[in-house]
Amino acid sequence: NAGVTQTPKFQVLKTGQSMTLQCAQDMNHEYMSWYRQDPGMGLRLIHYSVGAGITDQGEVPNGYNVSRSTTEDFPLRLLSAAPSQTSVYFCASSYTSGRAGSYEQYFGPGTRLTVT
Amino acid sequence: AQRVTQPEKLLSVFKGAPVELKCNYSYSGSPELFWYVQYSRQRLQLLLRHISRESIKGFTADLNKGETSFHLKKPFAQEEDSAMYYCALKPLTGGGNKLTFGTGTQLKVEL
Repeated sequence: NAGVTQTPKFQVLKTGQSMTLQCAQDMNHEYMSWYRQDPGMGLRLIHYSVGAGITDQGEVPNGYNVSRSTTEDFPLRLLSAAPSQTSVYFCASSYTSGRAGSYEQYFGPGTRLTVT
Repeated sequence: AQRVTQPEKLLSVFKGAPVELKCNYSYSGSPELFWYVQYSRQRLQLLLRHISRESIKGFTADLNKGETSFHLKKPFAQEEDSAMYYCALKPLTGGGNKLTFGTGTQLKVEL
């Protein structure tokens, strides 16, 4: 299993450009999520999905869109990039059910995005 | 609402010294607590969860409901323990899969 994969690893955008960060998992997990990681802020939830066709907002959703057309893929779209979106983005996945003590979110390697 | 607080941004210890990374939480229901570790420029990975009461790489953490804490401890720090550590919480039941993370503590083990 490849686990959770993300592309690209690095990206530089100009203000106003749009792009899509790709995330895929091969573990048949229902739950997928996007976080951004900023110094001193920890990980903050952007959007999440509990299954194909179902998405919801997290803590910091403004400026980002998501869709979930398949169980495997959960792309994150930046509509009009701003310098405040310079960050490291992590995708994660997990099962939505299971006995207590077995829960784990699996993370991708991250995408380092710089907006100039 | 749930909240996780890690009061230390940076903790520096000497090799062989004891380590304690602090984590306090706020949640009205029953929580499930986790510690995640991120080695330099790598992905986050689960270190341990309170329900399992396991010891991983010499680290342990006990949930103290009275003090609402889940501090991470290791008796003797090793150089390879240098990393960023995140405490995280999710509702034990009925709250879905959303993890709430603390702001993280950078552990630096010096020789």
